[in-house]
Amino acid sequence: EPEVTQTPSHQVTQMGQEVILRCVPISNHLYFYWYRQILGQKVEFLVSFYNNEISEKSEIFDDQFSVERPDGSNFTLKIRSTKLEDSAMYFCASTKGSAESYEQYFGPGTRLTVT
Amino acid sequence: AQSVTQPDIHITVSEGASLELRCNYSYGATPYLFWYVQSPGQGLQLLLKYFSGDTLVQGIKGFEAEFKRSQSSFNLRKPSVHWSDAAEYFCACMEYGNKLVFGAGTILRVKS
Repeated sequence: EPEVTQTPSHQVTQMGQEVILRCVPISNHLYFYWYRQILGQKVEFLVSFYNNEISEKSEIFDDQFSVERPDGSNFTLKIRSTKLEDSAMYFCASTKGSAESYEQYFGPGTRLTVT
Repeated sequence: AQSVTQPDIHITVSEGASLELRCNYSYGATPYLFWYVQSPGQGLQLLLKYFSGDTLVQGIKGFEAEFKRSQSSFNLRKPSVHWSDAAEYFCACMEYGNKLVFGAGTILRVKS
């Protein structure tokens, strides 16, 4: 069964450094998302991406964040200058987005630790 | 904006007992509703979904959920819990634009 994959599973970085989190969505899906979950808190929406552009972003997704689909398979989240409060589990998700199939399939997540 | 409330932070049930996890949503139109399960250190796995039609939906692992518009609820149930069901369960609602709004989660503990 096709699945969303994410790399790395765990990333440790120093405050102020740039990080890139990578995701490979399911191949025939059209909509892509990033969510994050700070330890002990609820899963929060960051950004959605469709047709090579951001379709929606949350207040969390400020100028320090960017997303890209550099080729036909990868979907990346970049944090330019990490802060301590960026420490969280980051989930990528994808969906076909059709009327028959709105469910989002999540990857296993990348745990980002900012020290 | 939509919101999802899961009033129970923790629930403990005995193995073999029945389970009901509560979820309430606020949304003006007919919502798309989901239940996800997260095992420790794992990602989110979709258990079941409701888009329209039959208000009782069946999911994987023997779970079901019932959509009750009058109560704005989408409670998750299982008739007999197994120790492997111990995990955190998230209810979610889909907003316009396809983003998911999650509840705070309910941690299920299963005692033998």
